[in-house]
Amino acid sequence: DVKVTQSSRYLVKRTGEKVFLECVQDMDHENMFWYRQDPGLGLRLIYFSYDVKMKEKGDIPEGYSVSREKKERFSLILESASTNQTSMYLCASTDSGNTIYFGEGSWLTVV
Amino acid sequence: AQSVTQLGSHVSVSEGALVLLRCNYSSSVPPYLFWYVQYPNQGLQLLLKYTSAATLVKGINGFEAEFKKSETSFHLTKPSAHMSDAAEYFCAVSGPTGGGNKLTFGTGTQLKVEL
Repeated sequence: DVKVTQSSRYLVKRTGEKVFLECVQDMDHENMFWYRQDPGLGLRLIYFSYDVKMKEKGDIPEGYSVSREKKERFSLILESASTNQTSMYLCASTDSGNTIYFGEGSWLTVV
Repeated sequence: AQSVTQLGSHVSVSEGALVLLRCNYSSSVPPYLFWYVQYPNQGLQLLLKYTSAATLVKGINGFEAEFKKSETSFHLTKPSAHMSDAAEYFCAVSGPTGGGNKLTFGTGTQLKVEL
């Protein structure tokens, strides 16, 4: 079975802190994604990556950056966390088979 | 550009009743369509997907969906609801080529199953 692991399930951070959300997949998938989920808004794509060191902006990239130094790992970075970034963050990966596999999610609260 | 509209943010059914969750899509290319389910405090799990083969797609847990190009719809159904079906359901669309298979999601439908 494909496994997408998000290392932190629940985080509480202060406004202005730098936040790292880590995601690892174990199926050698080329494509990885970070989504944000908010009530009534569904899932919105923040960034995605086709390959190591490659990244592209999704629909809501403002306030976020990403890093993909190794194929299996895709990190989401909040350079200076703000309260409007309180949300659930979902990492996902896929190969060419069009099925996207999701991690369990990371609940981030910024106070 | 692709988009998905899920009609009804909350749907309530009785146990044993038909479940119908509606999804309409917009896509400039032949779409691939998906339904995902999310149980509380968990990630998303794939229920089923349409990838231009059979228009009636069967998924896990007794769910199925029918692709209707003329209606640009991909509604999710289950003949008899079970309490364990209570969850949030998301419809999603992607194009068949390129884009890294990134999905565009609807806003979700919360399904409540009552005794």
